[in-house]
Amino acid sequence: DTGVSQDPRHKITKRGQNVTFRCDPISEHNRLYWYRQTLGQGPEFLTYFQNEAQLEKSRLLSDRFSAERPKGSFSTLEIQRTEQGDSAMYLCASSHQPRDRGANVLTFGAGSRLTVL
Amino acid sequence: SQKIEQNSEALNIQEGKTATLTCNYTNYSPAYLQWYRQDPGRGPVFLLLIRENEKEKRKERLKVTFDTTLKQSLFHITASQPADSATYLCALQSGNTGKLIFGQGTTLQVKP
Repeated sequence: DTGVSQDPRHKITKRGQNVTFRCDPISEHNRLYWYRQTLGQGPEFLTYFQNEAQLEKSRLLSDRFSAERPKGSFSTLEIQRTEQGDSAMYLCASSHQPRDRGANVLTFGAGSRLTVL
Repeated sequence: SQKIEQNSEALNIQEGKTATLTCNYTNYSPAYLQWYRQDPGRGPVFLLLIRENEKEKRKERLKVTFDTTLKQSLFHITASQPADSATYLCALQSGNTGKLIFGQGTTLQVKP
């Protein structure tokens, strides 16, 4: 297992187009997270899955954003009708579900950089 | 509202010196505080974590302190090397959801 994989690494699109990013987590990990990061800022939480269930979504995630994790394996993040403000690095991370009140250490992918023209 | 603050200005130090990075937070009661390293164009990489009931943790040249009264963590890199140059992120984990909230990061530049 080579860690968390994200595809594509870079995407340039025109405003109004739809884009989809894919994340393949570490196979033994049942939790999967999406974060967004802009230049000079830390990662901002978007959403997370435990197995195939989407358990939490940030208010940052407008209705143009949708994420899925069919069968609890890979995940996709789709952005519809992209806007210039969507330009960012989209990071995926995975982890083992921590024990009750246990530490949750995330393993991140290299990210998918989106540029909306 | 909840807030995490790290030094927004880059930290420049000479090789061999100790780098000290600060993470302050408000309106949180984190169960854990974690530190990650991020290189340009890459995802963050986990370095070290400390629990709410721990004061200090060490790993090789890294040391983290956690003061829940001051709501502050300090991250130290001793005998710094140019290869330590990167952005360092602190992250708080609250409760049982496992969700991490990140600070904006501090960029460290170690000069030979």
